[in-house]
Amino acid sequence: DQQVKQNSPSLSVQEGRISILNCDYTNSMFDYFLWYKKYPAEGPTFLISISSIKDKNEDGRFTVFLNKSAKHLSLHIVPSQPGDSAVYFCAAGVEWSGDKLTFGTGTRLAVRP
Amino acid sequence: DAGVIQSPRHEVTEMGQEVTLRCKPISGHDYLFWYRQTMMRGLELLIYFNNNVPIDDSGMPEDRFSAKMPNASFSTLKIQPSEPRDSAVYFCASSLVRAVGDTIYFGEGSWLTVV
Repeated sequence: DQQVKQNSPSLSVQEGRISILNCDYTNSMFDYFLWYKKYPAEGPTFLISISSIKDKNEDGRFTVFLNKSAKHLSLHIVPSQPGDSAVYFCAAGVEWSGDKLTFGTGTRLAVRP
Repeated sequence: DAGVIQSPRHEVTEMGQEVTLRCKPISGHDYLFWYRQTMMRGLELLIYFNNNVPIDDSGMPEDRFSAKMPNASFSTLKIQPSEPRDSAVYFCASSLVRAVGDTIYFGEGSWLTVV
């Protein structure tokens, strides 16, 4: 039972364009969401997060949008750069009580020069 | 400060053999997590510890898997006996306070192949 789903296993985008990575969740208890980025042969690293009290959080070229009613979040990268090519994992947790995160299956982003 | 250190980086073993994966968390971090990455299931949480005590092992797939944390600076994940379906990348991670609301720091992973 996958509580966090990333339905697109891969995405290819031209350099300079927008990359949009999507994530859906089923557990209505989740109220804190994160994106992690993973390069080959390395561990995932934290990218950006959002609490359910917000619907948008921005950090430079990266913006995460949260639609609680749809149980959907997305990561926008603008403009996309070749160095952004990596696997992106969406993760969710319960902020007030949770010690653990539930991760999705990941989306592999390829940014073409 | 050194990050999360895992060993071995790569392990190839025969079915039925015992496999032990090791992890040294970041000093001072109270939480330690073991994750497994597969194509089908992404990053799955296997077990996590708080102050060396196992809190939730509901993700451990079978009795063949066991994990220990004898002290704050060392943890092991053991598979005995190993099977080909255990082939995956196993990540250890640690966080200072808690995973939600804080940042988890991952090691580089242990690539396990069971033939």
